[in-house]
Amino acid sequence: KAGVTQTPRYLIKTRGQQVTLSCSPISGHRSVSWYQQTPGQGLQFLFEYFSETQRNKGNFPGRFSGRQFSNSRSEMNVSTLELGDSALYLCASSSRDSNTDTQYFGPGTRLTVL
Amino acid sequence: AQKITQTQPGMFVQEKEAVTLDCTYDTSDQSYGLFWYKQPSSGEMIFLIYQGSYDEQNATEGRYSLNFQKARKSANLVISASQLGDSAMYFCAMRGLDSNYQLIWGAGTKLIIKP
Repeated sequence: KAGVTQTPRYLIKTRGQQVTLSCSPISGHRSVSWYQQTPGQGLQFLFEYFSETQRNKGNFPGRFSGRQFSNSRSEMNVSTLELGDSALYLCASSSRDSNTDTQYFGPGTRLTVL
Repeated sequence: AQKITQTQPGMFVQEKEAVTLDCTYDTSDQSYGLFWYKQPSSGEMIFLIYQGSYDEQNATEGRYSLNFQKARKSANLVISASQLGDSAMYFCAMRGLDSNYQLIWGAGTKLIIKP
């Protein structure tokens, strides 16, 4: 089975721009979660999508949004970029068919905001 | 509130020695899961091992085992016979099974294996 894929792997943007990141989950997985990782704040949960619906949301401003398509692929959008948005964005997929299932991560997208 | 604490920011270990990475947690959930992930410098988060709060036996996966002490709220990762390729960041994470689905993460431990 192919793993979780994320595109692009690296991205450089300037303040004020917007960006869209993509995540393709493992085949058969319907849950996609997004996390932000920074040296200062560590790993923080952004949101989770399951069957095209946002199920959970972390404590991030409305500039961070996402969606999920019928094939379970998910996109994350950040509008009006700020320097502090520079981070590694990780996407994780799972089957969510039990409370004990495991989230498997993609390689991440490293976003740099100048 | 849920919290994960990893008290070892960094560790140096000689190759082939066993290593224990500490993790303590706090939660009010009755049911929860504990996970360990490895993150090499490439950035990808690699799942290592899972322990459920109601599992009576400690989880094992190859060279990885989890020393689960529920009363102490600790879930230490043990790597036997360490290898150079084990050098990476290691994260302990928890998910409350009664609450929402997100993983709560520790700050991580940077493990360096010396040849």
